[in-house]
Amino acid sequence: SQQGEEDPQALSIQEGENATMNCSYKTSINNLQWYRQNSGRGLVHLILIRSNEREKHSGRLRVTLDTSKKSSSLLITASRAADTASYFCATEPSSGSARQLTFGSGTQLTVLP
Amino acid sequence: EAGVAQSPRYKIIEKRQSVAFWCNPISGHATLYWYQQILGQGPKLLIQFQNNGVVDDSQLPKDRFSAERLKGVDSTLKIQPAKLEDSAVYLCASSFTGYGTDTQYFGPGTRLTVL
Repeated sequence: SQQGEEDPQALSIQEGENATMNCSYKTSINNLQWYRQNSGRGLVHLILIRSNEREKHSGRLRVTLDTSKKSSSLLITASRAADTASYFCATEPSSGSARQLTFGSGTQLTVLP
Repeated sequence: EAGVAQSPRYKIIEKRQSVAFWCNPISGHATLYWYQQILGQGPKLLIQFQNNGVVDDSQLPKDRFSAERLKGVDSTLKIQPAKLEDSAVYLCASSFTGYGTDTQYFGPGTRLTVL
């Protein structure tokens, strides 16, 4: 089953604009991660935020986490055509013996030149 | 550093046939994962190995899917017999230790089409 749900399912913006995508999840987590997947390729890890963190930055990426609302957002600033990809959030549960990641269904981002 | 290698990249078979996928993780990575990604969905974990032992295979359909990790390095995932609903991309990933904060590195995947 999918733990996270991304919103929106699809997003289309102009180059230079900011892109924001959201992730909601259901159970308590140790951390939440964001991955990018270009068409026909594997996933690439972007950023990890721990449950005791509220915000994290990496280059043009900004991630926030609100554990009380069980939600996270990924902001990509000054988007480029090369940012066109699917973006997935993945959560590591805080309970259970195996620390497997559970992925959401993804947001398809299209950046128009 | 070489990434995670997978083969074949594409495979087309008819239902009830068998198929096998191969994965070579990043050298030194103890943990290996197989995911199934159906079109329009996120990856779903099928099985996780720590060295050559299985950590979690709770979502592996064991009546038709099997996986092994020989000598704690390469791994194969087999489907026998295949069903139409097995059409998906099969992703292999590896990580150094398997702890949650450890980055998982993904291979390019094998796209399986079952006719």
